[in-house]
Amino acid sequence: KQEVTQIPAALSVPEGENLVLNCSFTDSAIYNLQWFRQDPGKGLTSLLLIQSSQREQTSGRLNASLDKSSGRSTSYIAASQPGDSATYLCAVRRRAGGGADGLTFGKGTHLIIQP
Amino acid sequence: GAVVSQHPSRVICKSGTSVKIECRSLDFQATTMFWYRQFPKQSLMLMATSNEGSKATYEQGVEKDKFLINHASLTLSTLTVTSAHPEDSSFYICSARFFEKLFFGSGTQLSVL
Repeated sequence: KQEVTQIPAALSVPEGENLVLNCSFTDSAIYNLQWFRQDPGKGLTSLLLIQSSQREQTSGRLNASLDKSSGRSTSYIAASQPGDSATYLCAVRRRAGGGADGLTFGKGTHLIIQP
Repeated sequence: GAVVSQHPSRVICKSGTSVKIECRSLDFQATTMFWYRQFPKQSLMLMATSNEGSKATYEQGVEKDKFLINHASLTLSTLTVTSAHPEDSSFYICSARFFEKLFFGSGTQLSVL
């Protein structure tokens, strides 16, 4: 059974710092990995999607890497801003074609950026 | 981008009643939608996969007779929590796939008294 772990569970830093969010998964047979942002009481916003054949994706100040063989993804947020405060979720998709292909989520990293 | 609408956003009901949650893809057709549940401080857990025109596929441990899923059209899936109990209180959220990405509704906070 796939398990996704995110470290740290919570992070509070001053504005302007660069951040590192870690995600690990136990089964390397994934189709892709996606990073989401979740604001309190709201839905999820997709930030980045990395296919299993890719090593890295970038969107604005967010850069994420994927090392499928070691079961890890690292997300980097540059020059953090108070508006970045949210919970960041990592999720992996099971290999396509094998029945249901819903995502397996980590518990998230709750990020607070202090003004 | 793709938009998924979910409502209601919040519902409070008495124990024993049934609650229906709707999930709509507004600007695209979704043959497959997913229903997730999130308890406080826990990760989102996939409950079931909703397939248009066919029966839903439930994850292990999810009672299909309690959580009824109907996907009658390419833009609408509904989740009905039947005979809700306090332990069903949770955040329910749906998603639909558009090309390779999953887009999520805004979620429904269910509180069963």
